[in-house]
Amino acid sequence: QKEVEQNSGPLSVPEGAIASLNCTYSDRGSQSFFWYRQYSGKSPELIMSIYSNGDKEDGRFTAQLNKASQYVSLLIRDSQPSDSATYLCASKAAGNKLTFGGGTRVLVKP
Amino acid sequence: SAVISQKPSRDICQRGTSLTIQCQVDSQVTMMFWYRQQPGQSLTLIATANQGSEATYESGFVIDKFPISRPNLTFSTLTVSNMSPEDSSIYLCSVGKDTSQETQYFGPGTRLLVL
Repeated sequence: QKEVEQNSGPLSVPEGAIASLNCTYSDRGSQSFFWYRQYSGKSPELIMSIYSNGDKEDGRFTAQLNKASQYVSLLIRDSQPSDSATYLCASKAAGNKLTFGGGTRVLVKP
Repeated sequence: SAVISQKPSRDICQRGTSLTIQCQVDSQVTMMFWYRQQPGQSLTLIATANQGSEATYESGFVIDKFPISRPNLTFSTLTVSNMSPEDSSIYLCSVGKDTSQETQYFGPGTRLLVL
């Protein structure tokens, strides 16, 4: 079974610090990777997508992909209390179906 | 990204009944999907809604339990049939394009409680 694994957390981070989230995947055919943020009681919203090895930055967020090691990470710089949410990692292989990890709950403390 | 709406936003149902959830998109989309998110869990894909043909179901999900319609490129329905308390979940529709690098965008979800 093709899986995406995440540490469930909670990951507790002081305000202003860097939150580092990791995700591993088992399907070497995965081509695209996505990070979603989900607030309690809300639906997932896309934060970042990454397709190539290396880093991709968007504002306070940086996604990192290493296909050889089959891991994806998300860094949140200058963490704010509004970043407190569950972060879902997802991979997409052929067939355009997303496989989601279990999510990492992040708690940013003022 | 497309604007996606779902109806109803929430419902409380009795066991043994059925509920149909609607998903409406403000523009034509290639791909539409239905997910379930059980309490405290991540998202599980139920099926891909195919326009003009039968939906493609994932392992563990069957058409008799979760019949899906997709009459056009902007609308789909998911029915949860013969409900039991184990069906209490959030049901989400998502839309996307038929390319590997395109992500999916999610509707607001339908929160279902079965008593």
